[in-house]
Amino acid sequence: GAVVSQHPSWVICKSGTSVKIECRSLDFQATTMFWYRQFPKQSLMLMATSNEGSKATYEQGVEKDKFLINHASLTLSTLTVTSAHPEDSSFYICSAGDRVTDTQYFGPGTRLTVL
Amino acid sequence: AQSVTQLGSHVSVSEGALVLLRCNYSSSVPPYLFWYVQYPNQGLQLLLKYTTGATLVKGINGFEAEFKKSETSFHLTKPSAHMSDAAEYFCAVSDSYDMRFGAGTRLTVKP
Repeated sequence: GAVVSQHPSWVICKSGTSVKIECRSLDFQATTMFWYRQFPKQSLMLMATSNEGSKATYEQGVEKDKFLINHASLTLSTLTVTSAHPEDSSFYICSAGDRVTDTQYFGPGTRLTVL
Repeated sequence: AQSVTQLGSHVSVSEGALVLLRCNYSSSVPPYLFWYVQYPNQGLQLLLKYTTGATLVKGINGFEAEFKKSETSFHLTKPSAHMSDAAEYFCAVSDSYDMRFGAGTRLTVKP
């Protein structure tokens, strides 16, 4: 089946620094990728929809200047958490849509801890 | 707008017993429906999905779900629980490409 990778799988950073998370579709092209955030013992919350070659669409309440999303190619989307704070600590999961199979495939997630 | 409600944040069954995880959805268009499983500190794994056609969908690990339009439900079942089934389960609905998740149900399997 299709594979979506995320890098890094976990990251610890100091408050005030920026962290970039990569999401790659390894064996298919994804014109649309999604970024989710999952707090402990809670469900996934959609943060934004990333479209290749255009600006991301953010969900209500998600700060676009804080969570920068870039979808520069059909296989790569990045999420940059700028000026991270402890409350940004969470599990971030991306998914990529394969239009051929009409299925979303999820990455393994990235655990961010902000000290 | 679309949404999903999972009834019961925590379900506990004995090993070998029937597993039933409930999911009701709301969608203004014919929905695509999904069940995902998440093991601790891991990403999501697709169990099964309904798009069109047969309303009883069989997935991996012996799970199946039935789409009931009249009840707007997509409950997940497994005839006999195994210890390895203990995990968090998420129901999700999608109208085209935008997917919304339920709050999740934690399944505990007792020996």
